[in-house]
Amino acid sequence: SAVISQKPSRDICQRGTSLTIQCQVDSQVTMMFWYRQQPGQSLTLIATANQGSEATYESGFVIDKFPISRPNLTFSTLTVSNMSPEDSSIYLCSVGLAGLPSSYEQYFGPGTRLTVT
Amino acid sequence: QKEVEQNSGPLSVPEGAIASLNCTYSDRGSQSFFWYRQYSGKSPELIMSIYSNGDKEDGRFTAQLNKASQYVSLLIRDSQPSDSATYLCAVDSSYKLIFGSGTRLLVRP
Repeated sequence: SAVISQKPSRDICQRGTSLTIQCQVDSQVTMMFWYRQQPGQSLTLIATANQGSEATYESGFVIDKFPISRPNLTFSTLTVSNMSPEDSSIYLCSVGLAGLPSSYEQYFGPGTRLTVT
Repeated sequence: QKEVEQNSGPLSVPEGAIASLNCTYSDRGSQSFFWYRQYSGKSPELIMSIYSNGDKEDGRFTAQLNKASQYVSLLIRDSQPSDSATYLCAVDSSYKLIFGSGTRLLVRP
């Protein structure tokens, strides 16, 4: 597995503001992902963070709301823009490590708990 | 819409018993399947991955896969109170994971 850190671990923000979440991995990885886990719910993939190119967003998520950067193979950021209380969630980054014939095993960072007031 | 279904529980078992957690999925093309454990307030932790039909054992955990029935299960033998958590089933779909809603397991001392 890999050691993954996220900053901040939690934050309370006012509506209309933006927050940038950082994800750092202790080794170079090709696949990095950003997920959201709303209160009492399971994980939903926001986007795949691609190194050197634009992120690939899932249905229902757009770049203007969740801009993502991936400047190198160990670091990524997710920004939650123009926040509303509905954005209150845990945001998790994950990395994919090759371990299966046609897939990656994904390991998660500790998460960022965001509360929007 | 590709889906992964789990019984939300809670599944309550006595200490020392076998806990059986089940998951069904809709995408017949999926090849890899994962079980994550998530303690309250923590991030998901990968505990098992499986891609071949049959059983895969790791310590007290056994994952079972039946692709024909589109069914994955996780057995936890000799359940301990420390196993009390939410167990998430995840299915690989083109290198992305689709998660079930999770089953909450309670192991009674």
